[in-house]
Amino acid sequence: EVQLVESGGGLVQPGGSLRLSCTASGFTFGRFWMNWVRQAPGKGPEWVANIKHDGSDVSYVASVRGRFTISRDNARDSLYLQMNSLRVDDTAVYYCTREWRPFYHDSGSDTWGQGTLVIVSS
Amino acid sequence: DVQLTQSPSFLSASVGDRVTITCRPSQGVSTYLAWYQQKPGKAPKLLISAASTLQSGVPSRFSGGGSGTEFTLAISSLQPEDFATYYCQQLNSYPWTFGQGTKVEIK
Repeated sequence: EVQLVESGGGLVQPGGSLRLSCTASGFTFGRFWMNWVRQAPGKGPEWVANIKHDGSDVSYVASVRGRFTISRDNARDSLYLQMNSLRVDDTAVYYCTREWRPFYHDSGSDTWGQGTLVIVSS
Repeated sequence: DVQLTQSPSFLSASVGDRVTITCRPSQGVSTYLAWYQQKPGKAPKLLISAASTLQSGVPSRFSGGGSGTEFTLAISSLQPEDFATYYCQQLNSYPWTFGQGTKVEIK
Protein backbone atom coordinates (compact mmCIF):
# COMPACT_ATOMS: atom_id res chain seq x y z
CA GLU A 1 0.00 0.00 0.00
CA VAL A 2 1.28 3.42 -0.97
CA GLN A 3 1.50 5.48 2.21
CA LEU A 4 2.89 8.73 3.58
CA VAL A 5 3.14 9.41 7.30
CA GLU A 6 4.01 12.86 8.63
CA SER A 7 5.36 13.70 12.05
CA GLY A 8 6.93 16.60 13.91
CA GLY A 9 4.06 19.04 14.26
CA GLY A 10 3.18 20.78 17.49
CA LEU A 11 2.83 24.06 19.32
CA VAL A 12 5.63 26.59 18.86
CA GLN A 13 6.06 30.24 19.73
CA PRO A 14 6.38 32.91 17.03
CA GLY A 15 9.98 33.02 15.85
CA GLY A 16 10.55 29.39 16.74
CA SER A 17 11.49 26.40 14.62
CA LEU A 18 10.10 22.97 13.81
CA ARG A 19 11.21 20.14 11.57
CA LEU A 20 8.53 18.08 9.89
CA SER A 21 9.25 14.59 8.60
CA CYS A 22 7.39 12.37 6.17
CA THR A 23 8.11 8.68 5.78
CA ALA A 24 7.07 6.98 2.55
CA SER A 25 6.27 3.33 1.97
CA GLY A 26 4.81 1.13 -0.74
CA PHE A 27 6.53 2.81 -3.69
CA THR A 28 9.96 3.71 -5.04
CA PHE A 29 10.38 7.05 -3.28
CA GLY A 30 13.40 8.15 -5.30
CA ARG A 31 11.36 8.27 -8.55
CA PHE A 32 8.86 10.91 -7.45
CA TRP A 33 8.78 14.65 -6.94
CA MET A 34 7.38 15.42 -3.51
CA ASN A 35 5.48 18.38 -2.08
CA TRP A 36 4.49 19.99 1.16
CA VAL A 37 0.99 21.44 1.11
CA ARG A 38 -0.62 23.19 4.08
CA GLN A 39 -4.16 24.00 5.01
CA ALA A 40 -5.03 26.62 7.60
CA PRO A 41 -8.17 26.02 9.68
CA GLY A 42 -11.26 26.59 7.58
CA LYS A 43 -9.23 27.53 4.48
CA GLY A 44 -8.31 25.86 1.21
CA PRO A 45 -5.01 24.09 0.57
CA GLU A 46 -1.86 26.09 -0.11
CA TRP A 47 1.14 24.60 -1.89
CA VAL A 48 4.30 25.31 0.14
CA ALA A 49 7.26 23.68 -1.58
CA ASN A 50 8.41 20.82 -3.75
CA ILE A 51 11.58 18.88 -4.43
CA LYS A 52 12.78 16.94 -7.44
CA HIS A 53 13.02 13.16 -7.23
CA ASP A 54 16.82 13.33 -6.87
CA GLY A 55 16.82 16.38 -4.61
CA SER A 56 18.56 18.60 -7.16
CA ASP A 57 15.77 21.16 -7.59
CA VAL A 58 13.46 22.84 -5.11
CA SER A 59 10.78 25.54 -5.27
CA TYR A 60 8.88 27.49 -2.63
CA VAL A 61 5.90 29.76 -2.29
CA ALA A 62 7.11 33.31 -1.67
CA SER A 63 5.70 33.54 1.85
CA VAL A 64 8.06 30.81 3.14
CA ARG A 65 11.11 31.32 0.94
CA GLY A 66 14.15 31.99 3.11
CA ARG A 67 12.44 30.59 6.23
CA PHE A 68 11.55 27.02 5.20
CA THR A 69 13.82 24.38 3.66
CA ILE A 70 12.58 21.24 1.95
CA SER A 71 14.92 18.26 1.71
CA ARG A 72 14.82 14.52 1.22
CA ASP A 73 16.81 11.38 1.97
CA ASN A 74 16.03 8.78 -0.66
CA ALA A 75 18.00 6.12 1.22
CA ARG A 76 15.60 6.56 4.13
CA ASP A 77 12.45 7.13 1.98
CA SER A 78 11.97 10.38 3.85
CA LEU A 79 10.97 13.97 3.13
CA TYR A 80 11.60 16.88 5.46
CA LEU A 81 10.52 20.47 6.00
CA GLN A 82 12.69 22.62 8.23
CA MET A 83 10.63 25.61 9.35
CA ASN A 84 12.39 28.58 10.93
CA SER A 85 11.20 32.03 12.00
CA LEU A 86 7.68 30.70 12.31
CA ARG A 87 4.82 33.17 12.23
CA VAL A 88 1.25 32.99 13.48
CA ASP A 89 0.00 32.72 9.89
CA ASP A 90 2.03 29.52 9.39
CA THR A 91 -0.52 27.76 11.59
CA ALA A 92 -1.97 24.91 9.53
CA VAL A 93 -2.16 21.21 8.92
CA TYR A 94 0.91 20.31 6.86
CA TYR A 95 0.58 17.50 4.33
CA CYS A 96 3.30 15.59 2.57
CA THR A 97 2.18 14.69 -0.95
CA ARG A 98 3.48 12.64 -3.86
CA GLU A 99 3.24 13.70 -7.49
CA TRP A 100 1.12 11.31 -9.50
CA ARG A 101 3.55 10.59 -12.34
CA PRO A 102 7.13 9.41 -11.69
CA PHE A 103 9.76 12.01 -12.59
CA TYR A 104 7.12 14.70 -13.32
CA HIS A 105 6.32 17.67 -11.11
CA ASP A 106 3.18 19.00 -12.77
CA SER A 107 0.71 16.14 -12.64
CA GLY A 108 -1.05 16.67 -9.33
CA SER A 109 -0.77 14.97 -5.94
CA ASP A 110 -2.25 11.50 -5.91
CA THR A 111 -1.04 10.48 -2.45
CA TRP A 112 -1.38 12.54 0.73
CA GLY A 113 -0.37 11.84 4.27
CA GLN A 114 -2.73 12.23 7.19
CA GLY A 115 -1.26 15.65 7.97
CA THR A 116 0.52 17.07 10.98
CA LEU A 117 -0.79 20.13 12.81
CA VAL A 118 1.51 23.09 13.39
CA ILE A 119 0.26 25.79 15.75
CA VAL A 120 2.25 28.98 16.07
CA SER A 121 1.09 30.92 19.08
CA SER A 122 2.41 32.71 22.13
CA ASP B 1 0.96 34.22 -9.15
CA VAL B 2 -1.88 32.58 -11.05
CA GLN B 3 -5.18 33.20 -9.32
CA LEU B 4 -7.85 30.52 -9.70
CA THR B 5 -11.48 31.57 -9.38
CA GLN B 6 -14.00 28.82 -8.84
CA SER B 7 -17.70 29.23 -9.37
CA PRO B 8 -19.97 28.77 -7.66
CA SER B 9 -18.42 28.89 -4.19
CA PHE B 10 -21.41 27.03 -2.82
CA LEU B 11 -23.79 24.66 -4.55
CA SER B 12 -26.91 23.02 -3.19
CA ALA B 13 -28.05 19.98 -5.17
CA SER B 14 -30.02 16.76 -4.92
CA VAL B 15 -28.95 13.17 -5.41
CA GLY B 16 -29.11 12.41 -9.12
CA ASP B 17 -28.53 15.98 -10.25
CA ARG B 18 -25.88 16.89 -12.79
CA VAL B 19 -23.56 19.55 -11.40
CA THR B 20 -20.82 21.58 -13.01
CA ILE B 21 -18.06 23.55 -11.31
CA THR B 22 -15.96 26.09 -13.20
CA CYS B 23 -12.37 27.11 -12.56
CA ARG B 24 -10.96 30.19 -14.27
CA PRO B 25 -7.22 30.93 -14.02
CA SER B 26 -6.08 34.55 -14.19
CA GLN B 27 -3.73 33.53 -16.99
CA GLY B 28 -3.51 30.56 -19.30
CA VAL B 29 -2.32 27.29 -17.76
CA SER B 30 -2.58 25.06 -20.84
CA THR B 31 -3.97 21.78 -19.44
CA TYR B 32 -1.87 21.78 -16.26
CA LEU B 33 -4.89 21.67 -14.02
CA ALA B 34 -6.02 19.16 -11.41
CA TRP B 35 -9.23 18.70 -9.47
CA TYR B 36 -9.52 17.45 -5.89
CA GLN B 37 -12.33 16.38 -3.59
CA GLN B 38 -12.06 16.99 0.14
CA LYS B 39 -14.30 15.73 2.91
CA PRO B 40 -14.23 17.15 6.45
CA GLY B 41 -11.20 16.07 8.45
CA LYS B 42 -9.61 14.31 5.48
CA ALA B 43 -6.85 15.11 3.04
CA PRO B 44 -7.81 16.14 -0.48
CA LYS B 45 -8.22 13.34 -3.01
CA LEU B 46 -7.01 13.73 -6.59
CA LEU B 47 -9.89 13.18 -9.01
CA ILE B 48 -8.59 14.52 -12.32
CA SER B 49 -5.19 15.52 -13.61
CA ALA B 50 -4.11 17.20 -16.83
CA ALA B 51 -7.56 18.81 -17.00
CA SER B 52 -9.36 15.67 -18.15
CA THR B 53 -7.52 12.49 -17.07
CA LEU B 54 -9.61 10.58 -14.57
CA GLN B 55 -7.56 9.04 -11.79
CA SER B 56 -7.71 5.30 -11.27
CA GLY B 57 -10.62 4.30 -9.05
CA VAL B 58 -12.55 7.54 -9.52
CA PRO B 59 -16.11 6.89 -10.72
CA SER B 60 -16.84 7.66 -14.35
CA ARG B 61 -19.61 10.08 -13.35
CA PHE B 62 -16.78 12.58 -12.78
CA SER B 63 -15.33 14.31 -15.83
CA GLY B 64 -13.10 17.27 -16.50
CA GLY B 65 -12.51 19.50 -19.47
CA GLY B 66 -11.11 22.76 -20.70
CA SER B 67 -7.79 24.39 -21.37
CA GLY B 68 -6.13 27.74 -21.03
CA THR B 69 -8.32 29.95 -18.89
CA GLU B 70 -11.53 27.97 -18.43
CA PHE B 71 -12.00 24.51 -16.96
CA THR B 72 -14.95 22.49 -15.74
CA LEU B 73 -15.52 19.60 -13.37
CA ALA B 74 -18.80 17.81 -13.97
CA ILE B 75 -20.58 15.17 -11.94
CA SER B 76 -23.17 13.50 -14.14
CA SER B 77 -25.39 12.10 -11.41
CA LEU B 78 -24.64 13.28 -7.88
CA GLN B 79 -24.34 10.52 -5.30
CA PRO B 80 -24.53 10.86 -1.49
CA GLU B 81 -20.77 10.30 -1.17
CA ASP B 82 -20.07 13.22 -3.54
CA PHE B 83 -21.14 15.88 -1.08
CA ALA B 84 -17.80 17.53 -0.31
CA THR B 85 -15.65 20.52 -1.18
CA TYR B 86 -13.91 20.58 -4.56
CA TYR B 87 -10.71 22.44 -5.41
CA CYS B 88 -8.87 23.09 -8.64
CA GLN B 89 -5.07 23.45 -8.72
CA GLN B 90 -2.87 24.82 -11.47
CA LEU B 91 0.59 23.32 -12.08
CA ASN B 92 1.65 25.43 -15.03
CA SER B 93 3.73 28.06 -13.26
CA TYR B 94 5.18 28.40 -9.78
CA PRO B 95 3.87 28.77 -7.21
CA TRP B 96 1.28 26.07 -7.74
CA THR B 97 -2.01 27.56 -6.60
CA PHE B 98 -5.44 26.30 -5.59
CA GLY B 99 -8.89 27.74 -6.15
CA GLN B 100 -10.92 28.89 -3.17
CA GLY B 101 -13.14 25.81 -3.28
CA THR B 102 -16.70 24.87 -4.13
CA LYS B 103 -18.75 23.30 -1.38
CA VAL B 104 -21.42 20.90 -2.64
CA GLU B 105 -24.22 20.35 -0.14
CA ILE B 106 -27.41 18.35 -0.08
CA LYS B 107 -30.55 20.27 -1.02
